[in-house]
Amino acid sequence: DSGVTQTPKHLITATGQRVTLRCSPRSGDLSVYWYQQSLDQGLQFLIQYYNGEERAKGNILERFSAQQFPDLHSELNLSSLELGDSALYFCASSMWQNTEAFFGQGTRLTVV
Amino acid sequence: EDQVTQSPEALRLQEGESSSLNCSYTVSGLRGLFWYRQDPGKGPEFLFTLYSAGEEKEKERLKATLTKKESFLHITAPKPEDSATYLCAVRDYGQNFVFGPGTRLSVLP
Repeated sequence: DSGVTQTPKHLITATGQRVTLRCSPRSGDLSVYWYQQSLDQGLQFLIQYYNGEERAKGNILERFSAQQFPDLHSELNLSSLELGDSALYFCASSMWQNTEAFFGQGTRLTVV
Repeated sequence: EDQVTQSPEALRLQEGESSSLNCSYTVSGLRGLFWYRQDPGKGPEFLFTLYSAGEEKEKERLKATLTKKESFLHITAPKPEDSATYLCAVRDYGQNFVFGPGTRLSVLP
């Protein structure tokens, strides 16, 4: 158990809908990262927050947004969902910005 | 733009047959190179962090090394339970944390 908690574990929704994925980082970790992993694809970096502020942005679509709250948990919002958004979404956390990150078990999103 | 490549894409070994996995990177200021192991449908599991050329880290049958342009993950006398996808990632000064595509390792009994 990495200490990073993601909810829900599974999510099935229809095209055009909006969903929110939640991540609770390890106790004491200030950085949160979001990744997308499509079937048999690599981990695509979406966005990073450090202590509530956005610090790095990867290939995140405009339909996607994220935020980190004062208690350091983070949410990833996905809207106007398309079939191609079906993937595993991982959250990771690290204590500082240059230390190793620990991953949650992911949320499997299926868009039908 | 940071780039991370890994080779081979897939590797099949007999139990006990040692080998190495390669991670080559191009990054604007390296702030760490990381190795992870990922089982199907699971989150990546952290293995090692390397910060500077010449650094080595070891854990059980795994040893990671770092040069200025690449890193190697050496697997000594692997067992079937070492079968997984091994991922390499780099962090740059802009805080981008980029993963390579991974090497799928299968260790046959």
